[in-house]
Amino acid sequence: EAQVTQNPRYLITVTGKKLTVTCSQNMNHEYMSWYRQDPGLGLRQIYYSMNVEVTDKGDVPEGYKVSRKEKRNFPLILESPSPNQTSLYFCASSWGRDGISPLHFGNGTRLTVT
Amino acid sequence: GENVEQHPSTLSVQEGDSAVIKCTYSDSASNYFPWYKQELGKGPQLIIDIRSNVGEKKDQRIAVTLNKTAKHFSLHITETQPEDSAVYFCAAKLLQGSGNTGKLIFGQGTTLQVKP
Repeated sequence: EAQVTQNPRYLITVTGKKLTVTCSQNMNHEYMSWYRQDPGLGLRQIYYSMNVEVTDKGDVPEGYKVSRKEKRNFPLILESPSPNQTSLYFCASSWGRDGISPLHFGNGTRLTVT
Repeated sequence: GENVEQHPSTLSVQEGDSAVIKCTYSDSASNYFPWYKQELGKGPQLIIDIRSNVGEKKDQRIAVTLNKTAKHFSLHITETQPEDSAVYFCAAKLLQGSGNTGKLIFGQGTTLQVKP
């Protein structure tokens, strides 16, 4: 089954404790992206990747890191989480980089930072 | 950069009624406008899209209209059913990086509740 898999689904952590949210897709997609969803703000892009070893900042990159060592994986790293990073996070992928190819989203990771 | 405004933030309708969600965008260069549906506990999923060379597109009970001059587009759901209850996001394409690369700018989302 074609899918984007995120783990974990739920995560509660404390301020400053490094964490990684994993994302994997099995569709051989070139484009991958991370979004955060906050009430009243919709989906905002954190980082994106056009291909292996190619990553770039989205609209809200502060406090986040990503890597793209393999085509299928695109982990999101929070080196020192803070309470304002409490949010619902989505990983997405698409076969094209043109912004028209449909985005395939994972089921989300709800992160709470206390 | 592109900004997408979506209204209303919440919408409650009776089963069988129609629902309309509206979005406006700021960048006249945007040329692709998809709608995503997010069911509870899941990620958003594309349900319909429209390109700037088309004024209206229909797919069974859902339709999208686009007014390029006014820079707004709308999602219309007719004969609503309880399974239409979800969060709906509009989006507009913004060019990103070099060449023909782009990204979507999403609206704030509309929570639609269809009452049985």
